Amino acid sequence: EPEVTQTPSHQVTQMGQEVILRCVPISNHLYFYWYRQILGQKVEFLVSFYNNEISEKSEIFDDQFSVERPDGSNFTLKIRSTKLEDSAMYFCASRPGLVNFYEQYFGPGTRLTVT
Amino acid sequence: AQSVTQPDIHITVSEGASLELRCNYSYGATPYLFWYVQSPGQGLQLLLKYFSGDTLVQGIKGFEAEFKRSQSSFNLRKPSVHWSDAAEYFCAVVFQGAQKLVFGQGTRLTINP
Repeated sequence: EPEVTQTPSHQVTQMGQEVILRCVPISNHLYFYWYRQILGQKVEFLVSFYNNEISEKSEIFDDQFSVERPDGSNFTLKIRSTKLEDSAMYFCASRPGLVNFYEQYFGPGTRLTVT
Repeated sequence: AQSVTQPDIHITVSEGASLELRCNYSYGATPYLFWYVQSPGQGLQLLLKYFSGDTLVQGIKGFEAEFKRSQSSFNLRKPSVHWSDAAEYFCAVVFQGAQKLVFGQGTRLTINP
């Protein structure tokens, strides 16, 4: 069964450093998402991406964040200058481009620790 | 404001007992409704979904959920829990016209042997 994969599983970085979180969505899916979950809190939407552009983003997704689909398989989230409060589990998700199909398939997550 | 509420942060049940996890949403229309499960160290796995039609939906692992429009609820149930059901359960919705999933706070389920 196809799966969303994410690398690395755990990333430790120092405050102010840039990080890139990588995701490989399910092949043939057309919508891509990033969510995050700060420890003990709910899962929060960050950004959605379709047709090579951001289709929706949250207030959290400020200028420090960017997303990219550099090739036909990867989907990346970049944080330019990490802050302590960016420490969280980051989930990538994807879904097909079918009409009225809203299920999103999630990857296992990347735990980002900012020290 | 559009929101999703899971009133129970933590529930403990005995193995073999029945389970009901509550979920309510605040929205003027019917959203698309989902339940996801997250086992420790794992990602989010879809248990079941409701878009329209029969208000009682069946999912994986023996779970079911009932949509009640009058109560704006989508409660998750299982007649007999197994120790392997211990996990965090998230209710989530997609409000019409939106792309994103909006999650509830989550309910952590503990199973007593």
